[in-house]
Amino acid sequence: AQSVTQPDIHITVSEGASLELRCNYSYGATPYLFWYVQSPGQGLQLLLKYFSGDTLVQGIKGFEAEFKRSQSSFNLRKPSVHWSDAAEYFCAVGPQRGNNDMRFGAGTRLTVKP
Amino acid sequence: GAVVSQHPSWVICKSGTSVKIECRSLDFQATTMFWYRQFPKQSLMLMATSNEGSKATYEQGVEKDKFLINHASLTLSTLTVTSAHPEDSSFYICSARDHESPGYTFGSGTRLTVV
Repeated sequence: AQSVTQPDIHITVSEGASLELRCNYSYGATPYLFWYVQSPGQGLQLLLKYFSGDTLVQGIKGFEAEFKRSQSSFNLRKPSVHWSDAAEYFCAVGPQRGNNDMRFGAGTRLTVKP
Repeated sequence: GAVVSQHPSWVICKSGTSVKIECRSLDFQATTMFWYRQFPKQSLMLMATSNEGSKATYEQGVEKDKFLINHASLTLSTLTVTSAHPEDSSFYICSARDHESPGYTFGSGTRLTVV
C-alpha cells in the first residue's frame, strides 16, 4: 500500500537559516511525488512535483526537492528561510496512471524565528 | 494551468441542516474528483472518490448517507453534508486530476462550522 511518512511534526528555524523537511514514501511503482504548503485556514498550494527525469526539482518560492530512489525519500529544501515560509508542509504521493487518489503525509509545521 | 474552484470557502450552519459544497474544474475535464477532510492540525484524509456519471467510492468509515456526492458533469462534483452536526465541522478540500497533464489540482477548501 502506498504511504507517506513525514518524521518531523514540528520544526523551528531562524530566519535566514537553511531548511530541510523530510519525506519518505512507500509505493509499489514509481510514483508522482509532491510537496504542498498550507497556510492557516487556507487551501493547498503546490510547491513542486516530481514525475521523472532530473531528480533535483525546482519549485516556487525558492524551494527544491531531491528524489532519492535508493532511500525512498523526497526531502524539501530551502537555502534561506523567510518569515513568510511559516506554514504547514505536506508531502504527497500519487499514481502515475489511473484515477487513484493522492496520499498525504501527516505534515510538518514550520515555525520561523526572527 | 489547471484550476479547481471550490465554493463556498466557508459556511456556518445550524445543527440538523444540510450544506452543499461545490467543486468545479474550470479549464479541464475531470472524470474523477476527490474529496478530503482535514481536522485542525492534521493531515488530509480521503473521504471519497467521485466518478462522473457513476456512484462515488467511499473510504472505509465514511458514511455515504451523510456525505452525499454527486458528479453529474465532467466539471462539477458536489459534496452535501446532510443533517450536519457539530462533529462534522471541519475543512473540506476537493481535488481533480487533469488527464492532459500529470498532477492533481486542489480547490481552496471549505471551512464548515456547525453550530
